[in-house]
Amino acid sequence: RKEVEQDPGPFNVPEGATVAFNCTYSNSASQSFFWYRQDCRKEPKLLMSVYSSGNEDGRFTAQLNRASQYISLLIRDSKLSDSATYLCVVNVRGAQKLVFGQGTRLTINP
Amino acid sequence: GAVVSQHPSWVICKSGTSVKIECRSLDFQATTMFWYRQFPKQSLMLMATSNEGSKATYEQGVEKDKFLINHASLTLSTLTVTSAHPEDSSFYICSARDEKLFFGSGTQLSVL
Repeated sequence: RKEVEQDPGPFNVPEGATVAFNCTYSNSASQSFFWYRQDCRKEPKLLMSVYSSGNEDGRFTAQLNRASQYISLLIRDSKLSDSATYLCVVNVRGAQKLVFGQGTRLTINP
Repeated sequence: GAVVSQHPSWVICKSGTSVKIECRSLDFQATTMFWYRQFPKQSLMLMATSNEGSKATYEQGVEKDKFLINHASLTLSTLTVTSAHPEDSSFYICSARDEKLFFGSGTQLSVL
C-alpha cells in the first residue's frame, strides 16, 4: 500500500463548479499535511497547509480526518486557472522528508 | 519569501555523459536539501536527502554511485547524473526547507 494515495483523475468540471478530492495516508504517525499545486513541467507550489480544525483560504477549504486518515481539498466557484495537478503531501513526525501522493489532475472547462 | 534556484532548466545530452544540476537557496541557509525525480504523469519520488557537510541519504533503489550528491555549503547542493542513459531522462527537482518547503524550478533532462 502506498504511503499517500490519491485518485489520479482526471477530473473535468465546468467553470464555476465546486469540486472536491480526497487523499488517504497510511502512517498514523503522520503529523503535517499539505496541498501543493503543480502545473505541467513546473515545480510544485504550496497551496495550503491542512490543520486539524480545518482551514479555508478564499475558495479553497482543506480538512483533516485523523480517525479515517484522510485529508480533503474543496474548491468552490472553480476558475479556468485552477486547472492543475493537486498533490497531497504528508510529513511523518520526526522525519525530515515529505511524502507526495501521485497527484490529482483537474481540468476546469469553459 | 524564500527562494530556491535550480539550474539548468533544460539539459539535452548524449548517452554516457555526466550532467550536473545545481540547487541554491538564495536568501536562507539550508542544512538539508532534497532531490526528487518525476516521470511524466507520476508523482515526485524522493531520491535522496542532501546534508551539508556529510553524506547524502539515499532512498531505497536509488544508486548512490550514479546519482552523486554534494552539499558543500549551506546554500548549494549539486546532483550529478553520471554516465546518463535514456532511462534517466526525467524531471529533476530540488527543494529546501526554511519554515516551509520551497522548490527549485526543476531540470528537464533528456538523454539521447
